[in-house]
Amino acid sequence: GESVGLHLPTLSVQEGDNSIINCAYSNSASDYFIWYKQESGKGPQFIIDIRSNMDKRQGQRVTVLLNKTVKHLSLQIAATQPGDSAVYFCAGDSGGGADGLTFGKGTHLIIQP
Amino acid sequence: ETGVTQTPRHLVMGMTNKKSLKCEQHLGHNAMYWYKQSAKKPLELMFVYNFKEQTENNSVPSRFSPECPNSSHLFLHLHTLQPEDSALYLCASSQVRSGPNNQPQHFGDGTRLSIL
Repeated sequence: GESVGLHLPTLSVQEGDNSIINCAYSNSASDYFIWYKQESGKGPQFIIDIRSNMDKRQGQRVTVLLNKTVKHLSLQIAATQPGDSAVYFCAGDSGGGADGLTFGKGTHLIIQP
Repeated sequence: ETGVTQTPRHLVMGMTNKKSLKCEQHLGHNAMYWYKQSAKKPLELMFVYNFKEQTENNSVPSRFSPECPNSSHLFLHLHTLQPEDSALYLCASSQVRSGPNNQPQHFGDGTRLSIL
């Protein structure tokens, strides 16, 4: 079956530095990927998505990179701020027409002052 | 405010109780989802509804019974739950995928369920 996973359970960065959170997936048929941010006591919040016909997409202070060859995607956060502290999840679809997402375990981003 | 409202936010129940979780979305979406989030585990998809019709049941035990009376409301009826069912239950909504293009799902803040 499909799995989606993140490489590190915890990532600690200095405030103002750039953060890079990585994710690997196993299903080569997946054609849609999303990054979510989850703060304590809240549900996952949509950050940015990317379709498999793209290899890069930029948002406000965030960039998602997709490498289909090695089945890897990453989330880059520029100039990390204290409000970026949260757990970040990548998720991918099954590529087979089903609508549910498969999630990774999450990376806890900790911002050091 | 995410546009997806879940009630109650917290629920404690015994194994013999019957309770229901409610989800309402104000985003004009036509697909709704239930996910389970347990500690140390990834979010697990439970059910998918498109236009009020159930399109996925991810091998969920029958003690969880979903209901979708319309595109804006989703319920999860609970009966005879087990301690391992204690988790955060998340509801999400999206537009039904358009051709090959999937659409982002937007989540509520969940119901924290504790089974005694």
